[in-house]
Amino acid sequence: RKEVEQDPGPFNVPEGATVAFNCTYSNSASQSFFWYRQDCRKEPKLLMSVYSSGNEDGRFTAQLNRASQYISLLIRDSKLSDSATYLCVVSRTGFQKLVFGTGTRLLVSP
Amino acid sequence: DVKVTQSSRYLVKRTGEKVFLECVQDMDHENMFWYRQDPGLGLRLIYFSYDVKMKEKGDIPEGYSVSREKKERFSLILESASTNQTSMYLCASSGAGQRVNYGYTFGSGTRLTVV
Repeated sequence: RKEVEQDPGPFNVPEGATVAFNCTYSNSASQSFFWYRQDCRKEPKLLMSVYSSGNEDGRFTAQLNRASQYISLLIRDSKLSDSATYLCVVSRTGFQKLVFGTGTRLLVSP
Repeated sequence: DVKVTQSSRYLVKRTGEKVFLECVQDMDHENMFWYRQDPGLGLRLIYFSYDVKMKEKGDIPEGYSVSREKKERFSLILESASTNQTSMYLCASSGAGQRVNYGYTFGSGTRLTVV
């Protein structure tokens, strides 16, 4: 079983739509959680950290469910520029090493 | 902004060559990492370092070595390049403390092709 599992997609949505991605992780000792965004042929960039209480950054909302070991990302009012691959990331025991999911691809169309 | 700079964007090397990939960060980060990224497999950790002259194996260290002689520089070495090492190589750094992780900053990557 992979440490971090994501639906690869692609998710095809029209502009203005709301879309949600989920991710599950296997290590119950994980302490840090993130969503990264990766554009085609570019490096991953930190989108947001994910906190137990849930957190929001503009149109993006992240949730963490420790009991079920899953993380979600909600994007409201999708823009064409949101088209990218979204990577779910969790820390391993020891905190400094991060494990990356293989990503969920989002395509936003006009 | 934190900058992580990788020396080459694209490299083409021959099988059996010794290959050096260089990474430099300018934010005095303690932690540095080398990943490779392949379609369908995601990012996989090769080696990492918590301090100067310190290194630890990641998940796929075979065929690679690293060097960290200065805090800002972390080099990945392919001792004898093989075609299955054709990949995108990503360097990252982090200034996280012992119990908190603030995420990584990545370099722009080196696309290595071994022929």
